[in-house]
Amino acid sequence: DTEVTQTPKHLVMGMTNKKSLKCEQHMGHRAMYWYKQKAKKPPELMFVYSYEKLSINESVPSRFSPECPNSSLLNLHLHALQPEDSALYLCASSPGYRGWDEQYFGPGTRLTVT
Amino acid sequence: AQKVTQAQTEISVVEKEDVTLDCVYETRDTTYYLFWYKQPPSGELVFLIRRNSFDEQNEISGRYSWNFQKSTSSFNFTITASQVVDSAVYFCALSLMNSGYSTLTFGKGTMLLVSP
Repeated sequence: DTEVTQTPKHLVMGMTNKKSLKCEQHMGHRAMYWYKQKAKKPPELMFVYSYEKLSINESVPSRFSPECPNSSLLNLHLHALQPEDSALYLCASSPGYRGWDEQYFGPGTRLTVT
Repeated sequence: AQKVTQAQTEISVVEKEDVTLDCVYETRDTTYYLFWYKQPPSGELVFLIRRNSFDEQNEISGRYSWNFQKSTSSFNFTITASQVVDSAVYFCALSLMNSGYSTLTFGKGTMLLVSP
């Protein structure tokens, strides 16, 4: 099973809502990632989890709150978002966290903030 | 500073044409890893290939081939006999160590449009 799944596929939320994005992998990978991708741009790294611990936070605003409940699951909790946060949110996983580890991406959640 | 440049923003070809996507990178590290990913309209990035800085052998996989040249800091990607299903955005990426963890620095991507 070489699949990373993400739910929901699409999400529309108001600026006062609280919602969560979910990511799951069953490949036994030890590192998981959240990326944000705006239209016609490359993915931008937000967070890295390694062995269920937050390893990298790329200065992401606190309205984005990641959580890694176990080695297979990664959540991104959203609260009080702004319209400019509308984007495709991609989850990825890799066997380890070293330079040679290729990342496997999920299909993404397309988020619209109204 | 580390950087990946994909100078071609968009390329349009007709089916069965060969097409080369350019990637130039900058890094001061002697050990690094380069990747190509494909992102079709569905949105999911698909891993295509990894190459480490010590292995300059070219690679061929079906209609895909990659030419890695350290002398010019380039890692170009060629699709032979392109097909409509090859239409996608292709990203070249450099793997860096950030606080002990690897992170990917992506180029801006090249959108490939293959028409019938």
